[in-house]
Amino acid sequence: ETGVTQTPRHLVMGMTNKKSLKCEQHLGHNAMYWYKQSAKKPLELMFVYNFKEQTENNSVPSRFSPECPNSSHLFLHLHTLQPEDSALYLCASSQFSSAAAGYEQYFGPGTRLTVT
Amino acid sequence: GQQVMQIPQYQHVQEGEDFTTYCNSSTTLSNIQWYKQRPGGHPVFLIQLVKSGEVKKQKRLTFQFGEAKKNSSLHITATQTTDVGTYFCAGPRYGGSQGNLIFGKGTKLSVKP
Repeated sequence: ETGVTQTPRHLVMGMTNKKSLKCEQHLGHNAMYWYKQSAKKPLELMFVYNFKEQTENNSVPSRFSPECPNSSHLFLHLHTLQPEDSALYLCASSQFSSAAAGYEQYFGPGTRLTVT
Repeated sequence: GQQVMQIPQYQHVQEGEDFTTYCNSSTTLSNIQWYKQRPGGHPVFLIQLVKSGEVKKQKRLTFQFGEAKKNSSLHITATQTTDVGTYFCAGPRYGGSQGNLIFGKGTKLSVKP
């Protein structure tokens, strides 16, 4: 599946580094999401963008900074992360951002982040 | 707060045996979605249920939405090694943005050949 791509696939960074994760969707969707997936925890929604506008920030620490320049691209800028931020970061997209209306989400392969 | 719970957390079966995972929501849901995540992979959408009591089938997979729209189940008949993975249910989160899906913790299925 190449509908949603993410780069890099793996990232190791120190606590003082600054890095960015990139997501691109080729599905013509209007909504994009960032999720965090840790071992033994459910998928945690971080941010939601609808038509480039942020509509949800799920109490995410400011060391995570999202950017959505257009409906096809989504970035997650990382700085001064903590070891507990190590996780799989998944990007997803859907036609519109309305789970209540039943729009399914398409996930990218994820970026496996390790903070040392 | 709103919760979506799945049981069991883990299930080990012999190939050919049946498998069922259950999803229970603390609130009534307008719809419920099921996703599968293979080991080392990412969640992939399987199906959505909308109507009370709805039953949908995909080959050996049978999905059911409860009459009260607060629970759902996924049943796999005669499991195969290709069924290995974690199965998640998800429903709309109420009180926040409409884009918000709340996921269960998933049921991890392993199949012994």
